[in-house]
Amino acid sequence: QSALTQPASVSGSPGQSITISCTGTSSDIGVYNYVSWYQQHPGKAPKLMIFGVSNRPSGVSNRFSGSKSGNTASLTISGLQTEDEADYYCSSYTTTTTLVFGGGTKLTVL
Amino acid sequence: QLYLQESGPGLVKPSETLSLTCTVSGGSISSGSLYWGWIRQPPGKGLEYIGSIYYSGDAYYNPSLKSRVTISVDTSKNQFSLKLRSVTAADAAVYYCARLNFWSGYYVDSWGQGTLLTVSS
Repeated sequence: QSALTQPASVSGSPGQSITISCTGTSSDIGVYNYVSWYQQHPGKAPKLMIFGVSNRPSGVSNRFSGSKSGNTASLTISGLQTEDEADYYCSSYTTTTTLVFGGGTKLTVL
Repeated sequence: QLYLQESGPGLVKPSETLSLTCTVSGGSISSGSLYWGWIRQPPGKGLEYIGSIYYSGDAYYNPSLKSRVTISVDTSKNQFSLKLRSVTAADAAVYYCARLNFWSGYYVDSWGQGTLLTVSS
């Protein structure tokens, strides 16, 4: 299975909004609403931010939102804060009953 | 509060077998809609799904690793385990055990702290 495609890096200023894309295929993102997003700070385990395309776990800020169109999912972070600076990974369930991750996107808050 | 803890050797020789165990506390490994899995991350690189298992023993593997991986579960000990055969330098990574939730999606909602594997003779 091939990794989902994410931009290597994105950046934004405090208070701005950014969007990270995640492109898959008709064997994963395109066929299931099972996209999730994770935030990872250096040296830490990833943290779930979005599941089921657009659902936020309890405790995750409503500044984080997710969407999907066709084979591409997106994570939007509004009102950027310095603590949002981290690596972000998307993932999707696949038709081979496994999970596939994106290559990761480094978010820099300028 | 669910807690997952990986255990196993941090150093394995090339061609040997990596064996890791994840002990789950604060919840039952036999709960419905939950899978238990392994995910790894080479230094400076992205996340890679290795495989996952249901408490009944049904296991699913990343096709690229399937020939070398076995995941098993011991419900009596609330543990699940990973065996990766014929390791090479490419298998050096932080290995995370994780809980995968199948409710309203399929996602990792709880992670272990991770354990670093070094492959060297």
